[in-house]
Amino acid sequence: QQQVKQSPQSLIVQKGGIPIINCAYENTAFDYFPWYQQFPGKGPALLIAIRPDVSEKKEGRFTISFNKSAKQFSLHIMDSQPGDSATYFCAASMERGSTLGRLYFGRGTQLTVWP
Amino acid sequence: DAGVTQSPTHLIKTRGQQVTLRCSPISGHKSVSWYQQVLGQGPQFIFQYYEKEERGRGNFPDRFSARQFPNYSSELNVNALLLGDSALYLCASGTGKTGNTIYFGEGSWLTVV
Repeated sequence: QQQVKQSPQSLIVQKGGIPIINCAYENTAFDYFPWYQQFPGKGPALLIAIRPDVSEKKEGRFTISFNKSAKQFSLHIMDSQPGDSATYFCAASMERGSTLGRLYFGRGTQLTVWP
Repeated sequence: DAGVTQSPTHLIKTRGQQVTLRCSPISGHKSVSWYQQVLGQGPQFIFQYYEKEERGRGNFPDRFSARQFPNYSSELNVNALLLGDSALYLCASGTGKTGNTIYFGEGSWLTVV
């Protein structure tokens, strides 16, 4: 079954808007939550990541909000630009045990930012 | 520094054939993982190797196999190709230890006809 559920499937915003992508997980053993950005024909590129000891992390225009009790995390893109148009994937992994480093991905969100 | 490199970038195979995909991890990284990404989906885990030993295997048939070499590069082999094996095959590199960040290559596009 899908271990990480991501929504929405697609998102269209105007330039300068703040798209929000949401993810939820069930396995409480997950302790590392990265977001990847993927352009057509390219491999996923790490955007930002968070561990559950903090509730928010900002890097430039990208912010992750993390709610451990709700088992949810989200990506916010401030002042979105047409160049941000891409597919975004959330993922989760465990940083210990035999599956250390194995990433479980959401289905992806296709973001379009109109100029 | 070179990132994760994969070869070939594109290839077309016929049903029933076999394919070998190659990956070189980031220098200093000892863990290599393989993922399959079907169009419109998120990457699905196939294998992870760490220090040349298989650390994990996803829900893929035995037609899929992999290995890691002493220099930490890796190969993914798929036998008896099916049309449904058409996908982007991604290699991911990491230290294999707690706190590591995982980086992906650009992938190998496999089309089975």
